[in-house]
Amino acid sequence: EADIYQTPRYLVIGTGKKITLECSQTMGHDKMYWYQQDPGMELHLIHYSYGVNSTEKGDLSSESTVSRIRTEHFPLTLESARPSHTSQYLCASSEDRSSYNEQFFGPGTRLTVL
Amino acid sequence: ILNVEQSPQSLHVQEGDSTNFTCSFPSSNFYALHWYRWETAKSPEALFVMTLNGDEKKKGRISATLNTKEGYSYLYIKGSQPEDSATYLCAFSRSQGNLIFGKGTKLSVKP
Repeated sequence: EADIYQTPRYLVIGTGKKITLECSQTMGHDKMYWYQQDPGMELHLIHYSYGVNSTEKGDLSSESTVSRIRTEHFPLTLESARPSHTSQYLCASSEDRSSYNEQFFGPGTRLTVL
Repeated sequence: ILNVEQSPQSLHVQEGDSTNFTCSFPSSNFYALHWYRWETAKSPEALFVMTLNGDEKKKGRISATLNTKEGYSYLYIKGSQPEDSATYLCAFSRSQGNLIFGKGTKLSVKP
């Protein structure tokens, strides 16, 4: 069973607020990822990290930012939330030399911006 | 543009029915094909990682096949049970790149 955690699971917040979505894993994985998913759509990669102090933008442009100060922690921040940010955000991790980039997922955060 | 297509979008079957879904992906520079099972309010769970043309993998009543030359994979569920109800995601990668996901097939199994 994968040990990757996300908090909060659900968040309803007003426009303009700063929010941070937390993601932690206890598997010692170097690579971590953030995906965004709108209803009925694909998971789209928005950020990833190869390890501490590494962050890269994914295939889908996002106004969010990420940081990787510790191996186990990969938080995602929105400085000023807008209704267009309403979506589900999933965090994942994989070993650097994993079995073909097999990823382990957290349960997701469902964000609603009013 | 890399696209992964999954069909059907949704499927409703009776308990005991066998079913299958399709995942289509670009066949050039293939590296790996992943199947995930995602139950509502839970984390997506890896089912299979497939890498070689002609691969067949099995886990209990679920099996998958891979054709890298024509760019498709099939997922089969034999004797569907209500606990098989979930969204089944397919993801493809090229040359150790990041995963590209399809929209998934949502399976509902009625008792």
